[in-house]
Amino acid sequence: DAGVIQSPRHEVTEMGQEVTLRCKPISGHNSLFWYRQTMMRGLELLIYFNNNVPIDDSGMPEDRFSAKMPNASFSTLKIQPSEPRDSAVYFCASRATGPQETQYFGPGTRLLVL
Amino acid sequence: GESVGLHLPTLSVQEGDNSIINCAYSNSASDYFIWYKQESGKGPQFIIDIRSNMDKRQGQRVTVLLNKTVKHLSLQIAATQPGDSAVYFCAETLGGNQFYFGTGTSLTVIP
Repeated sequence: DAGVIQSPRHEVTEMGQEVTLRCKPISGHNSLFWYRQTMMRGLELLIYFNNNVPIDDSGMPEDRFSAKMPNASFSTLKIQPSEPRDSAVYFCASRATGPQETQYFGPGTRLLVL
Repeated sequence: GESVGLHLPTLSVQEGDNSIINCAYSNSASDYFIWYKQESGKGPQFIIDIRSNMDKRQGQRVTVLLNKTVKHLSLQIAATQPGDSAVYFCAETLGGNQFYFGTGTSLTVIP
């Protein structure tokens, strides 16, 4: 299994630009999570999906952030417009059926907004 | 609940020694706990988990201890190796959806 796949691995953009991060979960996993990691705040859950349906987006910072999961094998996290304070590493994780199945993380996307 | 990562605890050990990394969790109702290892430039990697109906679980060179009375979790690494150098996170969850991560502990193994 290739594991969770994220793209791009690195993204540098200018303030005000739209940024789209992509994630392909592990095949057969039915839950998908988006996290943001910074030195100041550690690892924060932004949103998660069960069976492609957003369940809890309370961690999404503001309306500039949106996430979609059009099918079981693909999800996007979009920031529009981006701001320098959005600079962070964004991780996607997926989990199989069952509340106590562990989450498996992708390699992350390092975002730098200038 | 969550911890704010303002300060990252650090632990330095000699190669071959045992390491103990501690974590205080916040929700007494949490029923599942996980330890993750995060190497520089990589995503968190699953190490070992434990359910709340257990107090100890062993893996290969790693042992997790759970003390629900004081809401404490520990990770023991036997015969620590240079490849064990990383940041280690504990995570707690109730019901398996919302995972709350600790601030992490940075482990440095001295050859």
